Amino acid sequence: DIQMTQSPSSLSASIGDRVTITCRASQSISSHLSWYQQKPGTAPKLLIYGASSLQSGVPSRFTGSGSGTEFTLTISSLQPEDFATYYCHRGDSAPYSFGQGTKVDIQ
Amino acid sequence: QVQLVESGGGVVQPGGSLRLSCASSGIRFTDFGMHWVRQAPGKGLEWVAYIRYDGTETKYAASVQGRFTISRDRNTLYAQMSSLRPEDTAMYYCARDLLTSGCRYFDLWGRGTLVIVSS
Repeated sequence: DIQMTQSPSSLSASIGDRVTITCRASQSISSHLSWYQQKPGTAPKLLIYGASSLQSGVPSRFTGSGSGTEFTLTISSLQPEDFATYYCHRGDSAPYSFGQGTKVDIQ
Repeated sequence: QVQLVESGGGVVQPGGSLRLSCASSGIRFTDFGMHWVRQAPGKGLEWVAYIRYDGTETKYAASVQGRFTISRDRNTLYAQMSSLRPEDTAMYYCARDLLTSGCRYFDLWGRGTLVIVSS
């Protein structure tokens, strides 16, 4: 099975910082990748699909890029509501596995 | 109101069974594939199972293959779980499937139902 690996596992950042999270697939998944945000005690929320398409209603400070085996999620200017855990997710074929998550907290 | 609402979680002994439900409202449920995703306490997300919009295709994670069965009717998604193990303890979410240019993703999630497997 294809493994999804995120880095870093956690990071500390300040309001206004530019934040980048990386997700690597053990084999090519083309552009079949999505990103989710999860806050404690709540369900995940879709941010990005197809590696770079912004889900409706998601702020434009979130951007996704990459294809093949390496992908990035960038938050251009971190806002207080962005402190959360972020997951990448392969959408090419089953098993539709997730990365292990990246927790973004306040520095 | 567009929503998915899970139910059926609870405490069950190892080796026991449980059936989860996910009721839909505000959507044409029969137009969409559906998934179960779980999250053990303090851990990350784990995809569990998928069912095609018409119920003709199902897929499972290796960790639940042969023990879990995903099914659906006109408005509700189900997960029949048997031979439960302590490692099945998790919050179970149902999620709506979308497929765009070959990329499958989940755009609508329920709030989850908690399953605890313990003696």
